[in-house]
Amino acid sequence: GQNIDQPTEMTATEGAIVQINCTYQTSGFNGLFWYQQHAGEAPTFLSYNVLDGLEEKGRFSSFLSRSKGYSYLLLKELQMKDSASYLCAVTDSNYQLIWGAGTKLIIKP
Amino acid sequence: IAGITQAPTSQILAAGRRMTLRCTQDMRHNAMYWYRQDLGLGLRLIHYSNTAGTTGKGEVPDGYSVSRANTDDFPLTLASAVPSQTSVYFCASSDVGGDTDTQYFGPGTRLTVL
Repeated sequence: GQNIDQPTEMTATEGAIVQINCTYQTSGFNGLFWYQQHAGEAPTFLSYNVLDGLEEKGRFSSFLSRSKGYSYLLLKELQMKDSASYLCAVTDSNYQLIWGAGTKLIIKP
Repeated sequence: IAGITQAPTSQILAAGRRMTLRCTQDMRHNAMYWYRQDLGLGLRLIHYSNTAGTTGKGEVPDGYSVSRANTDDFPLTLASAVPSQTSVYFCASSDVGGDTDTQYFGPGTRLTVL
């Protein structure tokens, strides 16, 4: 079966750095997405990786290792507004998006 | 304003009633999707449409139907609602064949079936 694993919840301190991991087992791979979802709102696109390596976008970076079926989202200089759920999703061989359950990130002052 | 709209924002529905959730996008995306999101579970695909005139079943299609008469609209119908269909429903669209096929989401419909 297809599976996306990410931690259920993480806590970090304002101004710090946090890494949210995602491992996947899917039938084929055509890209990995990270989305941010604030409580009561829709998911919004953060990043996309299709090749191995690190993609940096301001305070957020996303890393992919296809051979290990692994990705992480790195958030630097954490702000209170970064408190949200972070969703990992993989496009499989049929170009369907398979979603993880999300990681709820709690930022403390 | 470009994007996806959904209606209604929320609804309380008696079991057995018929309900249509509306979704409209103005980005001229070819593909559209309906998901449900339940606490502790990831987004689950109900139905999708890769282009106007075609639809397909996702992971949890039972009890739901869709149509795609044109590019912009993708309504989701619950023929006879049941309490297990209580959920938050998100519509999304993407430009399949574009650089990344990134999906963009509407604001969601919170549905309660009693």
